[in-house]
Amino acid sequence: GEDVEQSLFLSVREGDSSVINCTYTDSSSTYLYWYKQEPGAGLQLLTYIFSNMDMKQDQRLTVLLNKKDKHLSLRIADTQTGDSAIYFCAVTRGSSNTGKLIFGQGTTLQVKP
Amino acid sequence: NAGVTQTPKFQVLKTGQSMTLQCAQDMNHEYMSWYRQDPGMGLRLIHYSVGAGITDQGEVPNGYNVSRSTTEDFPLRLLSAAPSQTSVYFCASSKVGATPSTDTQYFGPGTRLTVL
Repeated sequence: GEDVEQSLFLSVREGDSSVINCTYTDSSSTYLYWYKQEPGAGLQLLTYIFSNMDMKQDQRLTVLLNKKDKHLSLRIADTQTGDSAIYFCAVTRGSSNTGKLIFGQGTTLQVKP
Repeated sequence: NAGVTQTPKFQVLKTGQSMTLQCAQDMNHEYMSWYRQDPGMGLRLIHYSVGAGITDQGEVPNGYNVSRSTTEDFPLRLLSAAPSQTSVYFCASSKVGATPSTDTQYFGPGTRLTVL
């Protein structure tokens, strides 16, 4: 069935770049998202990318999509301690964007001062 | 706007008890959904609704019921709680629109449920 995989943990030093990776199986997914979850809070949408794009940049965030390999990544430049959180990759089920998302397990980003 | 609100924030139940998790949104969103979050498993869709009077099952619907009598509210009912339902529950809503930028989901703060 449809699946989204992420590594569970990433540790970086403050000021470094962080790269969080995600792979997915549904080649028909049209929209791909990155969500951030801070401790004790709900999920907050960080950014999204359409499946017909290779890259999207939004301030410190860069999303790269390799549709052939079904690989999505989120790069955070100049990582700050406030970026410490769990990051979820999510893709739509097929071409629908009516809210049916498949989530990865989440990557815990630890930023060391 | 308050966004998506959930009550209670924390709940402890005994096996076999029933309860209702409340979810409300004030953004006039057609789409609402319930997820559960378990360690190392991401979020899994329990039930969803595309409008008042319409509900459907997600990935893990067993043991849960929902109803959607109004656009604003989407309660989740646990009929007979089991320890396997210990989890964090998130409600989300979105507007079903023509462009992806209007379809992003907004999440509530979550309800942490423990079933003993």
